[in-house]
Amino acid sequence: ILNVEQSPQSLHVQEGDSTNFTCSFPSSNFYALHWYRWETAKSPEALFVMTLNGDEKKKGRISATLNTKEGYSYLYIKGSQPEDSATYLCAWNSGGYQKVTFGTGTKLQVIP
Amino acid sequence: DGGITQSPKYLFRKEGQNVTLSCEQNLNHDAMYWYRQDPGQGLRLIYYSQIVNDFQKGDIAEGYSVSREKKESFPLTVTSAQKNPTAFYLCASSSSSGLEGYTFGSGTRLTVV
Repeated sequence: ILNVEQSPQSLHVQEGDSTNFTCSFPSSNFYALHWYRWETAKSPEALFVMTLNGDEKKKGRISATLNTKEGYSYLYIKGSQPEDSATYLCAWNSGGYQKVTFGTGTKLQVIP
Repeated sequence: DGGITQSPKYLFRKEGQNVTLSCEQNLNHDAMYWYRQDPGQGLRLIYYSQIVNDFQKGDIAEGYSVSREKKESFPLTVTSAQKNPTAFYLCASSSSSGLEGYTFGSGTRLTVV
């Protein structure tokens, strides 16, 4: 199984700070890259699915970029709020609906 | 509202017993999946199914079995052959392309006592 790596593993930021984290994946056999937000005691929720090199997606204060040639994606949160506290998972889809490999996540804690 | 329902939320099992985890979706999704989460590891795929009466092994299928008799339902049985069954189990579903992302249930935490 090829690895998907996320960094950092965890981080704490102050409310109002902007932050970003990284998802690295194999650059071969790329089909799509997923980002999910997983709040404690809730279900993981899909944020973005990106398929094209250079893709940029935005939802409110959260955005993501994708570089398939070098195998990385960045997730950015602008002006972090306490409700952004969650684990952010990325998943590399290497072809077909089922070939999805998940990273271990970045756990974000926003301090009021 | 459409979604995925997993039950129960917590489950305790004695060693040597089989146990079945329920997963039901009303999203009209073709594909359904079972994942397992262990501390410090990413979600690992146990089984998946794209259509009724068909399912495929994922990366860690040993000791598990599934059925897909209805499009809405994809129960997972953890058998006594599973060496280390204590874990958090997540069910998910998606369209046949998967390009809208997965919809997840809220999970079942299984503890073997």
